[in-house]
Amino acid sequence: QKEVEQNSGPLSVPEGAIASLNCTYSDRGSQSFFWYRQYSGKSPELIMFIYSNGDKEDGRFTAQLNKASQYVSLLIRDSQPSDSATYLCAVNRREGGSEKLVFGKGTKLTVNP
Amino acid sequence: NAGVTQTPKFQVLKTGQSMTLQCAQDMNHNSMYWYRQDPGMGLRLIYYSASEGTTDKGEVPNGYNVSRLNKREFSLRLESAAPSQTSVYFCASQDRGQTGELFFGEGSRLTVL
Repeated sequence: QKEVEQNSGPLSVPEGAIASLNCTYSDRGSQSFFWYRQYSGKSPELIMFIYSNGDKEDGRFTAQLNKASQYVSLLIRDSQPSDSATYLCAVNRREGGSEKLVFGKGTKLTVNP
Repeated sequence: NAGVTQTPKFQVLKTGQSMTLQCAQDMNHNSMYWYRQDPGMGLRLIYYSASEGTTDKGEVPNGYNVSRLNKREFSLRLESAAPSQTSVYFCASQDRGQTGELFFGEGSRLTVL
């Protein structure tokens, strides 16, 4: 099993709909979880981070974490065409005394007007 | 505030040539990373540095070397470039003290002929 797995996509939703992006991870010791958005030809930018089980809301975005199921998701409400991008899930992994962030392959989201 | 600066932004090499990608951050972060991104592959970690003077291999280190010159700078060297190293390379630094967020440079697009 890969360390971080995401829906391969692409995912297409109509404007105004809810987009649901999912991510599973293999390391039970992971403590920090991140969602990055990457527009074509640009660098990734952080949109959400979550550390505790449950939901975390920020505007139209909600991150959900279930450590028992090793699952983290991102919901985008009232999707807009400007949300069209690739969404990358990242999970921290501790090795020895250091920590690194491991990314999934990303899910490409298209929001249709 | 420049954040993370990568140079060069574009480079074309011939097989067997060497080159160094430079990265500098001005946010006083301890941790720095080099990732490569290929179509459909997400971000794959090449090397990371948890602090000045330390470096560790990531998922795809073969063919690369790194130097953490000081706290600000983390360079990536290709000693003998191969076509398989054609990719977009991202440097990032990490805010360990607050969110654990990665801040990315704009990327360096490398083509090896």
